[in-house]
Amino acid sequence: LAKTTQPISMDSYEGQEVNITCSHNNIATNDYITWYQQFPSQGPRFIIQGYKTKVTNEVASLFIPADRKSSTLSLPRVSLSDTAVYYCLVGALGTGTASKLTFGTGTRLQVTL
Amino acid sequence: SAVISQKPSRDICQRGTSLTIQCQVDSQVTMMFWYRQQPGQSLTLIATANQGSEATYESGFVIDKFPISRPNLTFSTLTVSNMSPEDSSIYLCSAGQAGAEAFFGQGTRLTVV
Repeated sequence: LAKTTQPISMDSYEGQEVNITCSHNNIATNDYITWYQQFPSQGPRFIIQGYKTKVTNEVASLFIPADRKSSTLSLPRVSLSDTAVYYCLVGALGTGTASKLTFGTGTRLQVTL
Repeated sequence: SAVISQKPSRDICQRGTSLTIQCQVDSQVTMMFWYRQQPGQSLTLIATANQGSEATYESGFVIDKFPISRPNLTFSTLTVSNMSPEDSSIYLCSAGQAGAEAFFGQGTRLTVV
């Protein structure tokens, strides 16, 4: 089962771009990379998912190098409301590693003025 | 996207009793999962709820303690049996289609006294 490693915590000022990197050296060929955001007392919320290169949506960008052994979640111009825990997951429902999503420790992002 | 509703949202239970948590999805999904999350910790997968067959449990979780039902493609229940204070936690339901992202309910906060 592919394991992920990401920083335990990060701090940022409002308006800055935040990049959170995740390592997944044992990623399998069929595995996707997915990022979730979780606020206190809420369930995780899907942010973005990718397989390779770059994926962008209205919330974030996901950069995946050719070897796929790491990925970087980029949050442009963060605000106080982006303070949350961000989880990097490897796998995908019904495909790849064991067809389930396993959560790592997550990165606690604190945004201040 | 799928909307997932969990009931109850929270409960306080006496030790030795059992609580059944319900998870309702607003559309048919191929995959459903149950997670547990201790305060300040990451999510731990309890089991995969299989429609029409026994759930698949992760290491450390057993059917006698956490019986799971999934009678159809939109509904599942998790029962926490013979509860002790160590079972106090947040229990989350997750669902999604194979090959796509998973969505999460808001969780059930359980306190055992």
